Amino acid sequence: DGGITQSPKYLFRKEGQNVTLSCEQNLNHDAMYWYRQDPGQGLRLIYYSQIVNDFQKGDIAEGYSVSREKKESFPLTVTSAQKNPTAFYLCASSIGAVSSGANVLTFGAGSRLTVL
Amino acid sequence: AQTVTQSQPEMSVQEAETVTLSCTYDTSENNYYLFWYKQPPSRQMILVIRQEAYKQQNATENRFSVNFQKAAKSFSLKISDSQLGDTAMYFCAFMKHTGTASKLTFGTGTRLQVTL
Repeated sequence: DGGITQSPKYLFRKEGQNVTLSCEQNLNHDAMYWYRQDPGQGLRLIYYSQIVNDFQKGDIAEGYSVSREKKESFPLTVTSAQKNPTAFYLCASSIGAVSSGANVLTFGAGSRLTVL
Repeated sequence: AQTVTQSQPEMSVQEAETVTLSCTYDTSENNYYLFWYKQPPSRQMILVIRQEAYKQQNATENRFSVNFQKAAKSFSLKISDSQLGDTAMYFCAFMKHTGTASKLTFGTGTRLQVTL
């Protein structure tokens, strides 16, 4: 079945450590996204990528980094510079071409990061 | 920048009844898309319904329908014949028509509880 796989589902980190969240898709989608979800704040865009080897900052990119070396993979690194990293992180993808399906995002199951 | 407002943090409805969730948005764009996503306790984001702003006809998907009022910038979701499986967080989201990336701006969500 096609879909988006995020790992790990739960992750614990000590303060000062970097951590990388994995996102893999087999939908052959060009565009990929990372969102952060906090209670009472909905989802906020961290980074997005339209094609391989290209990505742009979203609304809350400070303290995060990404890479897009392969079409199917878009890992997110939460660095020690992120002041409040405890949150639920969602990865998503979309076709990316200008078509009737271009504007529908498919989401992964999410990763819960807790800083101890 | 676009904003999306969901003024009902929590709602409750009895099984088989009808419920309407409210959403308003603010934008200067003329071409855009609006979405309702559902997030059940599993936290998987699931697309419920989509509306293109240039279409006057309200979108429907089985028991789910929208009331799209473009001039009022209102986009409410009506759930008919509510089922226990409809219990979830519901997010309204806005997307402006853009190139290949589909960036969503989300509201803060409405928690819907369906009771017996």
